[in-house]
Amino acid sequence: QVQLQESGPGLVKPSQTLSLTCTVSGGSISSGDYYWSWIRQPPGKGLEWIGYIYYSGSTYYNPSLKSRVTISVDTSKNQFSLKLSSVTAADTAVYYCARLVVPAAKTAAGAFDIWGQGTMVTVSS
Amino acid sequence: DIQMTQSPSSLSASVGDRVTITCQASQDISNYLNWYQQKPGKAPKLLIYDASNLETGVPSRFSGSGSGTDFTFTISSLQPEDIATYYCQQYDNLFTFGGGTKVEIK
Repeated sequence: QVQLQESGPGLVKPSQTLSLTCTVSGGSISSGDYYWSWIRQPPGKGLEWIGYIYYSGSTYYNPSLKSRVTISVDTSKNQFSLKLSSVTAADTAVYYCARLVVPAAKTAAGAFDIWGQGTMVTVSS
Repeated sequence: DIQMTQSPSSLSASVGDRVTITCQASQDISNYLNWYQQKPGKAPKLLIYDASNLETGVPSRFSGSGSGTDFTFTISSLQPEDIATYYCQQYDNLFTFGGGTKVEIK
């Protein structure tokens, strides 16, 4: 059974870069059937998609965050990572990694079908 | 950007009640609509994909319908374990979520 686990600092200073890693276990990140995504949720608020990466390295980002976001993949470690630069208090949130079913899939295309447990990141000096 | 508007933002119902949540898209998204359940302190869980298809293992009291711009999510008989916030999500153009509906027991 595929599982995702986020890791990284829980506290980041304003103007610095937030860095998180998601480790995939129980399956290969190189499966062609999935994109690997980051989603965040500010305290008490809704969900915001940040971006995704394919195992080949191709990426797509939310236009509202595109200038500050970089997602990368390390297939040898079965991991993918998020970097968000120039953070402010508005970036304080629970950050989730999630598996996104590719649009060409026969079922659940476009759905985030497996999620990590989430990690809280606070931006504060 | 496609905006997703959910209503109500919260509701209170009794065990056994039928609960209905609506989600409206700002433009036609065909059936490219999924529903999630999020319990407090937990990650969201996929319940329904493509507007009306039940994810494997999800109880049959959950259902979804709709296409175009208007969608409905229904719990046919509310159970105590259904206390959660429910989100719709479109994937016609990138990915956006509705604002959520918090379901509580009366």
